[in-house]
Amino acid sequence: AQSVTQPDIHITVSEGASLELRCNYSYGATPYLFWYVQSPGQGLQLLLKYFSGDTLVQGIKGFEAEFKRSQSSFNLRKPSVHWSDAAEYFCAVGFGGSQGNLIFGKGTKLSVKP
Amino acid sequence: DGGITQSPKYLFRKEGQNVTLSCEQNLNHDAMYWYRQDPGQGLRLIYYSQIVNDFQKGDIAEGYSVSREKKESFPLTVTSAQKNPTAFYLCASSIGISNQPQHFGDGTRLSIL
Repeated sequence: AQSVTQPDIHITVSEGASLELRCNYSYGATPYLFWYVQSPGQGLQLLLKYFSGDTLVQGIKGFEAEFKRSQSSFNLRKPSVHWSDAAEYFCAVGFGGSQGNLIFGKGTKLSVKP
Repeated sequence: DGGITQSPKYLFRKEGQNVTLSCEQNLNHDAMYWYRQDPGQGLRLIYYSQIVNDFQKGDIAEGYSVSREKKESFPLTVTSAQKNPTAFYLCASSIGISNQPQHFGDGTRLSIL
């Protein structure tokens, strides 16, 4: 069955440190891949997306993500975290087909230490 | 600016009541969605609509109903049949239904009195 997994429920990093949030999917072909961020009590904001082409994609707020087909992964990275990056991050995957709805991971909550 | 407006921000329901959550978009998107968000559960799809006058059940449609009479509007009714309605509800829209990025409103938090 098609699925999306974010293995880390909660991650804490120090301000200025690098960040990597993991996302894995289960699917036989190349899916459509997205990362969203959600601040408390707010909706989700799209950070970046991957459809095809260059496997390293740049997004807003200094984030990037790399698609690795061999690992079925689409990890989100940021070289230097700011306190304002504290939020919950969701990976979403579109598996194609006639419906094409996105499936969301359960999220990773990021805390930033001063 | 184009976007999605959800209202109200906070909503309270008494036992046995139906309540309706509003979602309006001015992005000219064809597809609209309703999600329920509970802590640690991620987003679960309630209903979605590809075009006006058409909608489909998602993974957790029981106890909910929707309508899509206008392209811009996709209201969600939480009926008394939904036994655990306390949650954060998110509305989203996209250009089409197939693997398109979804744009989200700021949500409605529903609580039971």
